[in-house]
Amino acid sequence: DIQMTQSPSSLSASVGDRVTITCRASQGISSYLNWYQQKPGKAPKLLIYGASSLQSGVPSRFSGSGSGTDFTLTISSLQPEDFAAYYCQQSSSTPYTFGRGTKLEIK
Amino acid sequence: EVHLVESGGGLAQPGGSLRLSCAASGFIFSSYAMSWVRQAPEKGLEWVSVISGSGGSTYYADSAKGRFTISRDNSKNTLYLQMNSLRAEDTAVYYCAKGSYYDSQDYWGQGTLVTVSS
Repeated sequence: DIQMTQSPSSLSASVGDRVTITCRASQGISSYLNWYQQKPGKAPKLLIYGASSLQSGVPSRFSGSGSGTDFTLTISSLQPEDFAAYYCQQSSSTPYTFGRGTKLEIK
Repeated sequence: EVHLVESGGGLAQPGGSLRLSCAASGFIFSSYAMSWVRQAPEKGLEWVSVISGSGGSTYYADSAKGRFTISRDNSKNTLYLQMNSLRAEDTAVYYCAKGSYYDSQDYWGQGTLVTVSS
C-alpha cells in the first residue's frame, strides 16, 4: 500500500498569511493526488484534484503543485473560513490512502 | 444538483452486521464510480471501498477485505455497504462519495454514524 506522509499535523496562522501544507507519497503516484478540506461536523470538500487542478467553485487562493512523490497545497492569503482540517489523498492505486491531516488553526 | 444521502447506520454488537445505503440524485449514477470513506471519532479520513460505475469492479481497504461488501443498484441509483463481523474499531461516520477526475471524490453525503459496542 502507498503511505502518505502529511506535514505539519497542525499549524497556527493569521488571516492574510500564506500557508503551505506538504504531502509525500511512499512511492511515485504521478499526479494522482487530491486535497480535501473538512470543517468540524461536516463532510470533506474536494479542493484540488490531479495535484494541481482546482475543483469548480473553489477560490483561486487555493493551489496545488507537485508530481511523483512530493506535493504541496498552498493557500495564498488565509481567510477566516479557511480554518479547518486538510487532507491529501493518493488515487494512483487502491487502497486510496489519505494523509493523517493538517489542522489549521487561528493564531 | 448532486445529492447523496446515507442511511442505515446505528448501534451494532461486535460480530454483528449492518447494511448502509446511499441514495444518489442529480447525476447519471451508472456513469460514475462510488466510494465509501469513514472517519472514526476525532480521527482522520480512511478510504474503505470503491465500486466502478457498472459494478463490475470493486476494491477494498485491508481493514474491510473479507468483511465488507460494496455493491450498487443502478436502477435505484443506490450504493450499498454490507458490513459483517463488525468490530469496535469499525465505529465511525461512514460517508459515500461520487467519483470524479483522477479518481478523486467530488461530492460527499452527510455521513451516517455506525457504533459497534456491546
